[in-house]
Amino acid sequence: EVQLVQSGAEVKKPGESLRISCKGSGYSFSSYWISWVRQMPGKGLEWMGRIDPSDSYTSYSPSFQGHVTVSADKSLSTTYLQWSSLKASDTAMYYCARQRRIAAVLSGMDIWGQGTTVTVSS
Amino acid sequence: QSALTQPPSASGSPGQSVTISCTGTSSDVGGYNYVSWYQQYPGKAPKLMIFEVNKRPSGVPDRFSGSKSGNTASLTVSGLQAEDEADYYCTSYAGSNNLVFGGGTKLTVL
Repeated sequence: EVQLVQSGAEVKKPGESLRISCKGSGYSFSSYWISWVRQMPGKGLEWMGRIDPSDSYTSYSPSFQGHVTVSADKSLSTTYLQWSSLKASDTAMYYCARQRRIAAVLSGMDIWGQGTTVTVSS
Repeated sequence: QSALTQPPSASGSPGQSVTISCTGTSSDVGGYNYVSWYQQYPGKAPKLMIFEVNKRPSGVPDRFSGSKSGNTASLTVSGLQAEDEADYYCTSYAGSNNLVFGGGTKLTVL
């Protein structure tokens, strides 16, 4: 079965660092880009950025550039989303998703992780 | 880049058809045939329903269809069923390795 499994819920304090993960299985992990998507409480979906696990090349939405870092370890079939200093406004559900593409053009996201809830509160 | 514009809500009775619009610009929806649609139930991960404007992934009922005209894409759900009640989001490729989402539409089956 093709699936993405994300790490568990996190509760952190403002200023702390955090890394959450997304592990792929059932397919050639390095052959598909992975995107990360944020959903703040009661709000819509926002595309954060993507990574090519084969070479760890990343691209970010201007809204998230510089605020988060996406990385990958293809030997573990895992991608990561990390923050160096969390803010209360980072409280959200974060999804990873397998990204379809035509060459470098981003198409649909066909497989989604179950989501990781991040709560940042003092 | 701005979010794509979707109506906050849409509704229809069982068996009817409903269309949800997604309006962007010539830099996203109008410039590329890479519009996708997602269905999301409360507390669940989104599910891909349409990609590349009008293609359905395996397993998605053919009651769901997509189209595009100019800077506006549309998702049509025909033969509405109670299980179609969910939030629907569009996305479009926006150039330079970027994707942009719409604000989402809550579909209610009356």
